[in-house]
Amino acid sequence: EPEVTQTPSHQVTQMGQEVILRCVPISNHLYFYWYRQILGQKVEFLVSFYNNEISEKSEIFDDQFSVERPDGSNFTLKIRSTKLEDSAMYFCASSDMGGDRTDTQYFGPGTRLTVL
Amino acid sequence: AQTVTQSQPEMSVQEAETVTLSCTYDTSESDYYLFWYKQPPSRQMILVIRQEAYKQQNATENRFSVNFQKAAKSFSLKISDSQLGDAAMYFCAYRGQDSGYALNFGKGTSLLVTP
Repeated sequence: EPEVTQTPSHQVTQMGQEVILRCVPISNHLYFYWYRQILGQKVEFLVSFYNNEISEKSEIFDDQFSVERPDGSNFTLKIRSTKLEDSAMYFCASSDMGGDRTDTQYFGPGTRLTVL
Repeated sequence: AQTVTQSQPEMSVQEAETVTLSCTYDTSESDYYLFWYKQPPSRQMILVIRQEAYKQQNATENRFSVNFQKAAKSFSLKISDSQLGDAAMYFCAYRGQDSGYALNFGKGTSLLVTP
């Protein structure tokens, strides 16, 4: 069964450093998403991406964040200058609007980001 | 913005018994989608079940079923014949037809399954 994959599973970085989180969505999906979950809190939407551009973004997704689909398979989230409060689990998800109006989003296993 | 409320931070059920997790939401839309996701200790988000608001019939997936009450804006999850592997955080999520692609999650309910 196709699945969303994410690398790395755990990333440790120093405050102020740039990090890139990588995702490979399900191959025939057209919509891509990033969410984050601070430990003990609910999952929060960051950004959605379709047709090589951002569809929508939340207030969390400020100028420190960017997304890119550098090739036909990868979808990346970059944090330019990490802060302590960026420590969280980051989930990538993908969906295929197709003929299924439900637009179910399938999640990857997540990348745990620790900022020291 | 739509809000999703899960009023039970923790629930406990004995193996083989049935448990119901509650979820309510606030919206002015008439067409939307509702989901339950399971998050085991591995922290992976796994889709359990989904419901389209335009469908009156409650969704069912094996031991999992929902009680969707559109007028009351309620979307509870029933787990029958609970198994030890059902122990996890369960998140209710809402996606509007007109409000973009973002899933709006509740705070979750931690389900403990005892032998």
